[in-house]
Amino acid sequence: AQKVTQAQTEISVVEKEDVTLDCVYETRDTTYYLFWYKQPPSGELVFLIRRNSFDEQNEISGRYSWNFQKSTSSFNFTITASQVVDSAVYFCALSEVGDNFNKFYFGSGTKLNVKP
Amino acid sequence: GAVVSQHPSWVICKSGTSVKIECRSLDFQATTMFWYRQFPKQSLMLMATSNEGSKATYEQGVEKDKFLINHASLTLSTLTVTSAHPEDSSFYICSARKQGAGANVLTFGAGSRLTVL
Repeated sequence: AQKVTQAQTEISVVEKEDVTLDCVYETRDTTYYLFWYKQPPSGELVFLIRRNSFDEQNEISGRYSWNFQKSTSSFNFTITASQVVDSAVYFCALSEVGDNFNKFYFGSGTKLNVKP
Repeated sequence: GAVVSQHPSWVICKSGTSVKIECRSLDFQATTMFWYRQFPKQSLMLMATSNEGSKATYEQGVEKDKFLINHASLTLSTLTVTSAHPEDSSFYICSARKQGAGANVLTFGAGSRLTVL
């Protein structure tokens, strides 16, 4: 079963539009971590955020914000006033504790195209 | 900050040859490193977990004899693709966990793109 689902394969927006990238996860652990990474065309993974399962507080960092809702097992990512430089593939990931210590489960990624 | 370096960043080789990719933690010691594979337009799939001084743990479906992993020191893990074939062409990314750091503090390398002709 897919542990992390990113249903949006590709999204195209025009610069300055807001865009939300969806992430739904599945785990039986009570302690887990959720992540968002950005992968520009060059290929490296850029860490954006880590959130543990006990902290449901939403977070805002500049134009980025994250909405964590355990009730719906979702960890959505919103970019406000998108810019061309935001164009990349964005991955949501889940890390469980216990037997799968340190194992990251990545979603399939959402490719974001921001057009000028 | 924690920096992980991968070398080479890209490599082209002939079918049947072996290719070694290095993953180095530059400013920290990493007891555990992870190797991922990413096909074009797909997600990252964990191949194996590399532990310093012991054998790597491979994920189901990953051929141990095909993808040799060695983690000889606290700052270096290597992935050798033996007798490479075109289907091995992929983007390989490593990540490292800083010794003593929390379970989920991983740093990713910039990746190595392998093309097998």
